[in-house]
Amino acid sequence: AQKVTQAQTEISVVEKEDVTLDCVYETRDTTYYLFWYKQPPSGELVFLIRRNSFDEQNEISGRYSWNFQKSTSSFNFTITASQVVDSAVYFCALILRNKLIFGTGTLLAVQP
Amino acid sequence: SAVISQKPSRDICQRGTSLTIQCQVDSQVTMMFWYRQQPGQSLTLIATANQGSEATYESGFVIDKFPISRPNLTFSTLTVSNMSPEDSSIYLCSTSSMSNYGYTFGSGTRLTVV
Repeated sequence: AQKVTQAQTEISVVEKEDVTLDCVYETRDTTYYLFWYKQPPSGELVFLIRRNSFDEQNEISGRYSWNFQKSTSSFNFTITASQVVDSAVYFCALILRNKLIFGTGTLLAVQP
Repeated sequence: SAVISQKPSRDICQRGTSLTIQCQVDSQVTMMFWYRQQPGQSLTLIATANQGSEATYESGFVIDKFPISRPNLTFSTLTVSNMSPEDSSIYLCSTSSMSNYGYTFGSGTRLTVV
């Protein structure tokens, strides 16, 4: 089966705390792509990152960082020094034959 | 990456009626996708819209309920037919961008059926 699991349904942190959102995936494909999206309360989906299965190098973009580990089929997302504007639902997704398969999402609430 | 204009952004509709959602892309794209997001849920793919051929529907979705048009490489519509309150959801269109292989989404249509 090909699927994405985000075990954390909701996370609440206080501003400036670091927070890690977990993503575990299953796929039979040897070549695949993983994504993270942010969905703020307004509802639009914002593309954050794409990672291909051949590149296990971790990536950092400002306060965001991603840890991709094929050995554990995980693609975790860390926000450093969280801010109220980070409050949103975050989705991890996997490509299957050009179609995105989404996890169930993690609702992140950052309290001031 | 491609920019998608989706409309309407929201609507409240009577049960039994139909609503057509439009997505316009600012560049030619091969594949367009339609997703449904029920309240508090994740996104589920409805169908892939192919230019020049019928849409390809996922399990649980049928053409009579969700007819799709794709008249050219920049435009697609999704119709939600004979609506019931269970159709209340956010509907989003999407396409892939060859520049960074990111999938771009429209801003979504928030549909409420009363």
